[in-house]
Amino acid sequence: DQQVKQNSPSLSVQEGRISILNCDYTNSMFDYFLWYKKYPAEGPTFLISISSIKDKNEDGRFTVFLNKSAKHLSLHIVPSQPGDSAVYFCAASSIRTSYDKVIFGPGTSLSVIP
Amino acid sequence: KAGVTQTPRYLIKTRGQQVTLSCSPISGHRSVSWYQQTPGQGLQFLFEYFSETQRNKGNFPGRFSGRQFSNSRSEMNVSTLELGDSALYLCASSLGRGASGTSGANVLTFGAGSRLTVL
Repeated sequence: DQQVKQNSPSLSVQEGRISILNCDYTNSMFDYFLWYKKYPAEGPTFLISISSIKDKNEDGRFTVFLNKSAKHLSLHIVPSQPGDSAVYFCAASSIRTSYDKVIFGPGTSLSVIP
Repeated sequence: KAGVTQTPRYLIKTRGQQVTLSCSPISGHRSVSWYQQTPGQGLQFLFEYFSETQRNKGNFPGRFSGRQFSNSRSEMNVSTLELGDSALYLCASSLGRGASGTSGANVLTFGAGSRLTVL
């Protein structure tokens, strides 16, 4: 049972435009969410996170939005750059119950076209 | 500071054999997690160790096991290998719950992975 879902396996965006990557979760105990980026032949690297007490967190070109009632979060990248082309993983954890058990989604492959 | 180191990077085994993968976490990180990555499945959680104790476990058969040493280094073992075990095995470390109160203490830093091919 996939507790973290990323329903778009791939996404293509023109350079300079906005990239929106979506993520849904089913476990209502999740209260801390993270996005990771992965290049080929490398391990995933942490990008940005958000706690369930917030609905938005911003870091430079990256913004994560959380809609708890819909159990949905999204990552916005503005403006998109060719170097952003990578696989993006949404991840979730429950700080209250299993702090260090981080569950990942299947990933979305983003291609930013110059 | 040095990152998470995984060895070996690549290995080939045959069905029925066993394999041991090693992970050295970032200095000061006490939590080590293991993930299996296969195409289309994303990162599947295997288990997590903290202070030599397995605290969290994913839905993998008992053929998958692990341990953590007193210096936080970790190993995972897969016995009686099957073709479906071919995957990239990723290790990640974090400060861990023992550092609760520290913002982002469960943010994972990953190694480059060990690519296992089972023939």
